[in-house]
Amino acid sequence: DTGVSQNPRHKITKRGQNVTFRCDPISEHNRLYWYRQTLGQGPEFLTYFQNEAQLEKSRLLSDRFSAERPKGSFSTLEIQRTEQGDSAMYLCASGVLQETQYFGPGTRLLVL
Amino acid sequence: AQSVTQPDIHITVSEGASLELRCNYSYGATPYLFWYVQSPGQGLQLLLKYFSGDTLVQGIKGFEAEFKRSQSSFNLRKPSVHWSDAAEYFCAVGSPSSGGYNKLIFGAGTRLAVHP
Repeated sequence: DTGVSQNPRHKITKRGQNVTFRCDPISEHNRLYWYRQTLGQGPEFLTYFQNEAQLEKSRLLSDRFSAERPKGSFSTLEIQRTEQGDSAMYLCASGVLQETQYFGPGTRLLVL
Repeated sequence: AQSVTQPDIHITVSEGASLELRCNYSYGATPYLFWYVQSPGQGLQLLLKYFSGDTLVQGIKGFEAEFKRSQSSFNLRKPSVHWSDAAEYFCAVGSPSSGGYNKLIFGAGTRLAVHP
C-alpha cells in the first residue's frame, strides 16, 4: 500500500493559464474524491468518481473545472483560465464504499 | 443539509496536559463521524471514526472520541498531549448515500499549539 499520491505538489501559475493536477489512488480503491481547501478552512467537496463514472459534482465546481478518471484508476483535475480565487490546496482521497477515505498530500496552487 | 461546527479555532495546552476538542454536527440519523489531523502543508491523516456500535472509539496516537447522540457531539480527547500533537484537527461527517456515505463535510478545524 503506497498511499494516495498527487502531482505536482506545488504549482505557481499566472492568471488566465490552464493547470492540470493528477491523483493516483490506492490501487484497490474504486472511489476517488477531490476536495479544495483554502487557508484557515476545512476541505470542501468538489467531486467524486466511482470507477470511471463521475457521480456527483459540487456547485463549487464551475464550468472552468473539469475532472476525469478515464480508466477508473488515476484522475486528473483541470482548471481553465485560472483566477486568483482558485489559489488553494487541492486534495485527493480514495476509498471504497462506506469505508475510510485516505487522503493524498495535496497540490498547492498559487495563481498570480 | 449536514453541517459540522468546531467551536474552538485555536487551543493551546501544555505538554502533558489533557486535551478535548469539540465537534458538533447537524444530521438527523446516526451519522458517519471522523476526526482527521493535518500537519502544516500536508494531507489529512485519519485519527478515528465512528459508524455504529460502542460510542467510545479509540484511535491512533492515543486519541479517543465519544459519540453523544443527545448532544449531537463527537468530541476528541487525549489524556496527555505530546509536543508532536501540534497540528490542525478536523471533524467531519459523511454525507449519507445508498449503502453508506459518499462525500465528507468538514468543520473549519481547530489549530492546536503545545507549550513545552
